[in-house]
Amino acid sequence: GQNIDQPTEMTATEGAIVQINCTYQTSGFNGLFWYQQHAGEAPTFLSYNVLDGLEEKGRFSSFLSRSKGYSYLLLKELQMKDSASYLCAVEGDTSGTYKYIFGTGTRLKVLA
Amino acid sequence: DVKVTQSSRYLVKRTGEKVFLECVQDMDHENMFWYRQDPGLGLRLIYFSYDVKMKEKGDIPEGYSVSREKKERFSLILESASTNQTSMYLCASRIDSEAFFGQGTRLTVV
Repeated sequence: GQNIDQPTEMTATEGAIVQINCTYQTSGFNGLFWYQQHAGEAPTFLSYNVLDGLEEKGRFSSFLSRSKGYSYLLLKELQMKDSASYLCAVEGDTSGTYKYIFGTGTRLKVLA
Repeated sequence: DVKVTQSSRYLVKRTGEKVFLECVQDMDHENMFWYRQDPGLGLRLIYFSYDVKMKEKGDIPEGYSVSREKKERFSLILESASTNQTSMYLCASRIDSEAFFGQGTRLTVV
């Protein structure tokens, strides 16, 4: 079967660093994606990994290990506005149809 | 900026009604998607389309159909709404590595 796991909730303090993990089991792999979703709003794209290693984009970084079926999203210098749900998604279909499989999301609370 | 617009933010419909959810994107994307988002279940793919008049079932197509007569517009149809279709519905269009989502339609079926 196809499965993506991520923690349901995390709490961290403003200014700290937090790592949100995602593990996946899919029949194929064509890339792993992270989206941010604030309450009541649409998800917005954060990052894309298709090769092993770390991709850095400002305060956010995303890591992928394909052999372990594992990714993490690292958020540095946390700000209150980072309180949101973070969705891990895998494109598990290599037929080019761009279908995502989503995890259930990790709700991050940033405390002052 | 890419814009994906869903016709309604909130809808309340009665059981048995036929419901149309409209989605329009302005970036000439070929790939468009309809998801529903429920607490604890995440986003689940209902249908997607990779070209005009082309459609494929996602993971949970039962009770839904879609229409894509023009490239920019992708409609989700609930043939006979039921209470278990109460949910947040999200439309997305995608090119390359990034998907763009609409603001969502919160549908309540009573």
